[in-house]
Amino acid sequence: EAGVVQSPRYKIIEKKQPVAFWCNPISGHNTLYWYLQNLGQGPELLIRYENEEAVDDSQLPKDRFSAERLKGVDSTLKIQPAELGDSAVYLCASSAGGNTEAFFGQGTRLTVV
Amino acid sequence: GESVGLHLPTLSVQEGDNSIINCAYSNSASDYFIWYKQESGKGPQFIIDIRSNMDKRQGQRVTVLLNKTVKHLSLQIAATQPGDSAVYFCAENRGGGSNYKLTFGKGTLLTVNP
Repeated sequence: EAGVVQSPRYKIIEKKQPVAFWCNPISGHNTLYWYLQNLGQGPELLIRYENEEAVDDSQLPKDRFSAERLKGVDSTLKIQPAELGDSAVYLCASSAGGNTEAFFGQGTRLTVV
Repeated sequence: GESVGLHLPTLSVQEGDNSIINCAYSNSASDYFIWYKQESGKGPQFIIDIRSNMDKRQGQRVTVLLNKTVKHLSLQIAATQPGDSAVYFCAENRGGGSNYKLTFGKGTLLTVNP
């Protein structure tokens, strides 16, 4: 069974440009997360979805970040415009919900130059 | 403020030795804890979890201990192998119960010397 799939694996963009990341969760997982991971740090939650509803987006910088999960399956995370400080790894995870383990994708490493 | 932290940022052990990685948490409402392993260039990989109604749980070569009195979590790896070299994170469900909010600590780098 495929795990959480993210694309692209790497992305280099110039500052002020837009960028988008895509995530396909594990089949049947209603809960989807986007995390940000800076070098040497633990992942930090950006947004959590239950099906198509964003139930926790308190950590999402809404002035430049947006996310969607229109049909409750795949999700996209967008940054517009990107800033130098956005350089990080963006991780997607999914779970069956409640107190169950979250499974992570490989992440997208973003470099803003 | 509340945090999930690790006592030691790095841990170096000899192959075959047992490893112990520690984690402190401060939110007494947290009821679910997970240990993740992250290798370079990869996403975190689930190792083992424990719920707050337990104080010990064992897996294959790994044991997690939970001490709610002092809000301490540990991961024990038996007969550590070079393939165990990675960064280990503890994570807690800081939201409590169904208000799931998985929060990660900073991580411990485990290096296994052959």
